[in-house]
Amino acid sequence: QVQLHESGPGVVKPSGTLSLTCTVSGGSINNYYWTWIRQAPGKGLEWIGYVFYTGSTDYNPSLRRRVTMSVDTSKNQFSLKMTSMTTADTAVYYCARVHTGWLDFWGQGTLVTVSS
Amino acid sequence: QSVLTQPPSVSGAPGQRVTITCTGSNSNIGAAYDVSWYQQLPGTAPKLLIYGNSDRPSGVPDRFSGSKSGTSASLAITGLQAEDEADYYCQSYDSSLTALVFGGGTKLTVL
Repeated sequence: QVQLHESGPGVVKPSGTLSLTCTVSGGSINNYYWTWIRQAPGKGLEWIGYVFYTGSTDYNPSLRRRVTMSVDTSKNQFSLKMTSMTTADTAVYYCARVHTGWLDFWGQGTLVTVSS
Repeated sequence: QSVLTQPPSVSGAPGQRVTITCTGSNSNIGAAYDVSWYQQLPGTAPKLLIYGNSDRPSGVPDRFSGSKSGTSASLAITGLQAEDEADYYCQSYDSSLTALVFGGGTKLTVL
């Protein structure tokens, strides 16, 4: 069974940069797209972007200027960087595996709070 | 404002049947992009419930079923149980936005 686990700081300062890593276990990162989704408190799900195991990426147009994703196949990990963080970016951030258009395995999520 | 529109809430008594609709447009559901559904229990990560419009992952009870027609999709839950109380999200792809898109979510209350 594939498992995903997000890691990173729980608090980021306003205007700072968020860095999160998702570690994949129980399966290879190869041959799949991997994605980041976020959920603001009490709100719905928002797609941030995805990265293919080769390193190619596609991002939500509304976040494209601030987001960078990368993959490290040797560690079975992929990462998210988001710059210019504001309080509006406070959310639970999930990583997930993309399987032909749907998200079949999800991490437990990590709460990121933007606060000074 | 979500690209895919869902009712904010639905409710039903134990044993009853409820449906949750997901309305899109010709650039997503109507463009033949598949719809998936996710169940999010309180305080947990979303879980894949339906993929490819109507297929169920192993382990998902056949009380849950999905369908798609035109620019809309539906999730039906029969034989409602207390543990079905959760938020439900539809998801597809939008070719105009070049983005994976979600509905706003529907809160199911089991009375």
